[in-house]
Amino acid sequence: SQTIHQWPATLVQPVGSPLSLECTVEGTSNPNLYWYRQAAGRGLQLLFYSVGIGQISSEVPQNLSASRPQDRQFILSSKKLLLSDSGFYLCAWSPTSGRAVDTQYFGPGTRLTVL
Amino acid sequence: RKEVEQDPGPFNVPEGATVAFNCTYSNSASQSFFWYRQDCRKEPKLLMSVYSSGNEDGRFTAQLNRASQYISLLIRDSKLSDSATYLCVVTPDTGGFKTIFGAGTRLFVKA
Repeated sequence: SQTIHQWPATLVQPVGSPLSLECTVEGTSNPNLYWYRQAAGRGLQLLFYSVGIGQISSEVPQNLSASRPQDRQFILSSKKLLLSDSGFYLCAWSPTSGRAVDTQYFGPGTRLTVL
Repeated sequence: RKEVEQDPGPFNVPEGATVAFNCTYSNSASQSFFWYRQDCRKEPKLLMSVYSSGNEDGRFTAQLNRASQYISLLIRDSKLSDSATYLCVVTPDTGGFKTIFGAGTRLFVKA
């Protein structure tokens, strides 16, 4: 069966510090991968998605970046965090299929607080 | 107008009640539709996909109305465990991977 891992689970960082969140998927090959952010009391905002190694599409221009160094690894980074970066960061994967978007399966998330 | 809009909620219902949520979307070319459930401080989990012909899974029924551009979720015989936030999800167009999540509708089922 497939599993998705995210770490860390919680993180408190000062403004201006760097960020690295990691997501890995097990039990599947060539998944589509996604990063979302959910601000308190708000819906999910798609940040990045990837359909293959090194292929990253950005949905929202901001101070975040994403990389996919391996097939089942997706990393979210920032060089300098802003207060507005606080939120619940969720990684998700979906199977590669003929349809553009299939069911997405989410990791447990990282709760980031920027102070 | 937001791309995906949901009933604002919260919905407070007694156990055994039937409750319905609606979700409207703005892009008529939207292709895929889903309902996800999210428990407090947890990740969203797929509840059900929504098909053009409508579909049912136990106490849950989802409907799609392309002409009016809305989807609905009906929960019958509500249980305490149904308390959660229900997210409407829409894929705006073919060939793309962008997904739009609604802000969610909070449901409280009380004994």
